[in-house]
Amino acid sequence: SQQGEEDPQALSIQEGENATMNCSYKTSINNLQWYRQNSGRGLVHLILIRSNEREKHSGRLRVTLDTSKKSSSLLITASRAADTASYFCATDAFSNDYKLSFGAGTTVTVRA
Amino acid sequence: DTGVSQNPRHKITKRGQNVTFRCDPISEHNRLYWYRQTLGQGPEFLTYFQNEAQLEKSRLLSDRFSAERPKGSFSTLEIQRTEQGDSAMYLCASSLEGFDQPQHFGDGTRLSIL
Repeated sequence: SQQGEEDPQALSIQEGENATMNCSYKTSINNLQWYRQNSGRGLVHLILIRSNEREKHSGRLRVTLDTSKKSSSLLITASRAADTASYFCATDAFSNDYKLSFGAGTTVTVRA
Repeated sequence: DTGVSQNPRHKITKRGQNVTFRCDPISEHNRLYWYRQTLGQGPEFLTYFQNEAQLEKSRLLSDRFSAERPKGSFSTLEIQRTEQGDSAMYLCASSLEGFDQPQHFGDGTRLSIL
């Protein structure tokens, strides 16, 4: 069963706009990760945020984590056509740090 | 920097046949994982190796599935007597040990059962 759930399922934005997607999960975690997947390809790791962190930045990416609400958000600023992809959040289980549980993902389309 | 490599990229086979996929992880990574992904869904955990030891298998991994990692390097995933429901993308990932180590994925093997 999949622990994480992303919202929205799909997002269409104009190039230059910001894209925000959310993830909710159910159990205690060590960390939460965001991955990107282009069509027909594997997943690319974007950012990892530990359970004791509240916010993290990497380039145009900003991730927040609220462990009290068991939720996270990913913000992509100044989107580009190359950001068109599916984005997945993944959580480990506190006692099984090797096993990632993924949501169904958010499909982002950036229009030129 | 060589990433995770998976072969073949695509496999088309008839129902009932056996198939085997190969994964070559990043060389210094001692952890290796197999996931399955169906259309419109996120990857689902199948199994995990620490070096050559297979430490966990998901309930998704029926008796028809077997995975090995001889010598703690490359890994193979075999599916015997394939069924229509086995059609999916099979993803391999590797990582260093530690709860804050990201998993690095290969491009997967897409399996289609005729």
